[in-house]
Amino acid sequence: DAKTTQPNSMESNEEEPVHLPCNHSTISGTDYIHWYRQLPSQGPEYVIHGLTSNVNNRMASLAIAEDRKSSTLILHRATLRDAAVYYCILRDGDAGGTSYGKLTFGQGTILTVHP
Amino acid sequence: DADVTQTPRNRITKTGKRIMLECSQTKGHDRMYWYRQDPGLGLRLIYYSFDVKDINKGEISDGYSVSRQAQAKFSLSLESAIPNQTALYFCATSDPGVRTDTQYFGPGTRLTVL
Repeated sequence: DAKTTQPNSMESNEEEPVHLPCNHSTISGTDYIHWYRQLPSQGPEYVIHGLTSNVNNRMASLAIAEDRKSSTLILHRATLRDAAVYYCILRDGDAGGTSYGKLTFGQGTILTVHP
Repeated sequence: DADVTQTPRNRITKTGKRIMLECSQTKGHDRMYWYRQDPGLGLRLIYYSFDVKDINKGEISDGYSVSRQAQAKFSLSLESAIPNQTALYFCATSDPGVRTDTQYFGPGTRLTVL
């Protein structure tokens, strides 16, 4: 399975933008880049995903490098409720592949947001 | 009401006991998953099921078994619990018909094996 590398932790101040990086140098052409986050004492929740183009939704933006070997999750204005562990995950989009549809979680980035 | 529910939410048991963790979903999804999470680590896949007749082992299936009783129900069993199975267990569902195949997670079951 393709792996991702994320910093163990990052800190931000409330209402400031946060850029969470992820390296995935072994990404394959059929891998989608997914981001999930896990708030304290909760199960993970979907944040955003992309394949090649940058993506925006109500929670965040995803910037994908042109060579797809890295990506950045952008929280435009961090709030205290955004404090969580953020996971960058590659999901195999090849329906014929043995890992199709499965998510492989790494250790993620612990985001601390200061008031 | 929550779309993915897990019972029990907390369980303390003794070594050697048989334990069943249950997961129910109202999202109508075909795919269901069981993960475990150890402190400070990400989630690891135990078993997954792409439909009622399809059961597959994940990366850490030893010591566990599952049953897919219906589209909405997926149970995880520990036949003879051991202390290193103490962990947080999450159930998830996803819909392959949706392009993102987003997984939706339950609230988790905290299991302690003494």
